[in-house]
Amino acid sequence: DAKTTQPPSMDCAEGRAANLPCNHSTISGNEYVYWYRQIHSQGPQYIIHGLKNNETNEMASLIITEDRKSSTLILPHATLRDTAVYYCIVRVASHGGSQGNLIFGKGTKLSVKP
Amino acid sequence: DTGVSQDPRHKITKRGQNVTFRCDPISEHNRLYWYRQTLGQGPEFLTYFQNEAQLEKSRLLSDRFSAERPKGSFSTLEIQRTEQGDSAMYLCASSQTRDTDTQYFGPGTRLTVL
Repeated sequence: DAKTTQPPSMDCAEGRAANLPCNHSTISGNEYVYWYRQIHSQGPQYIIHGLKNNETNEMASLIITEDRKSSTLILPHATLRDTAVYYCIVRVASHGGSQGNLIFGKGTKLSVKP
Repeated sequence: DTGVSQDPRHKITKRGQNVTFRCDPISEHNRLYWYRQTLGQGPEFLTYFQNEAQLEKSRLLSDRFSAERPKGSFSTLEIQRTEQGDSAMYLCASSQTRDTDTQYFGPGTRLTVL
């Protein structure tokens, strides 16, 4: 079973920030938080991951609470092309390899509206 | 750097036929994963390889399914005696254990069994 809880759906206005929450209250100290998204009929796309510090890349920002029991993915200026299902996944990751598979839940369906 | 590629993108077959899918990972990625995704669900892990060794298989991988990665590069997934329940999107992903083992997905092969 997935170790994360996400709302099933969210709406966001085009041009506004989209804040997608994720709860992972049983996360272990060596588990990272990963975010992927899946646009209809395409393969999942990697967005970002983090351990305990906040992370930012060209796609998004990841804010992880101090107790690491929850996180928020932020898309700073959502566009219609950001409409997708967003998956939050916790996973051990380290140099030299880790457990193999990703365990996906049902994710959050984000709808960006004009 | 090209991404993960999968072939074919779509396959329609009749029940009882055998089908084979191919995945080409990102160059120099030593791990390769197969997932299956049915409508409305997140991807589910099937199996993964590190180089040419198959390290883990899910209970979802029945004896009608077989996967190979003979030279540690591309992989094939074969389904024998297909059933209507095999209709799904089959996703391939690859990663490099020298990094944080982040998985990057291909576009998937959509299988329809009539």
